[in-house]
Amino acid sequence: SQQGEEDPQALSIQEGENATMNCSYKTSINNLQWYRQNSGRGLVHLILIRSNEREKHSGRLRVTLDTSKKSSSLLITASRAADTASYFCATVPNTNAGKSTFGDGTTLTVKP
Amino acid sequence: SQTIHQWPATLVQPVGSPLSLECTVEGTSNPNLYWYRQAAGRGLQLLFYSVGIGQISSEVPQNLSASRPQDRQFILSSKKLLLSDSGFYLCAWSQNWVRGAGELFFGEGSRLTVL
Repeated sequence: SQQGEEDPQALSIQEGENATMNCSYKTSINNLQWYRQNSGRGLVHLILIRSNEREKHSGRLRVTLDTSKKSSSLLITASRAADTASYFCATVPNTNAGKSTFGDGTTLTVKP
Repeated sequence: SQTIHQWPATLVQPVGSPLSLECTVEGTSNPNLYWYRQAAGRGLQLLFYSVGIGQISSEVPQNLSASRPQDRQFILSSKKLLLSDSGFYLCAWSQNWVRGAGELFFGEGSRLTVL
């Protein structure tokens, strides 16, 4: 079963607006990662946040992690049409880094 | 720099035919290797992962098998394809647990259609 669950399933915004996606998970983690997938392509790693971190930034990306609520959010600021893609969270367990678990993703559409 | 190659990119196969998808990684040694399957509009399902040559862990009972004949080569196979094997297959690698935190680096995927 999928551990990570993204919310919303789909998000449509205008260029320049901010996009926020959420991820919830069920068991303890070592870290949580966000990936991006353009249609028909492989996934690209965006950002990693460790279980002892609460917030992390990378360019226009901001990720938060609340281990007490077992949830994370990905914020994309000042979105661009090129940000249109599906975004997935993946949780890496404490015991085995080889078993990342992915959610079903959020499909983001940024309208120019 | 590290690169990952996966092929073929697209294939259409009849039910009952064999399958072989291949993945190779360059620029790193002793990587963890993974095969994922993605159904349309869904997330990734881990099929197999390997921490070394000849070491394969299967996550989901199914019609598929995996092999790792060389350190940086990972092969997904089937003797007889089923309709339900259709999907988008992704190969990925990561540093091993001691060296990395589990970031995955993906190939471009192989879209399999079984008719």
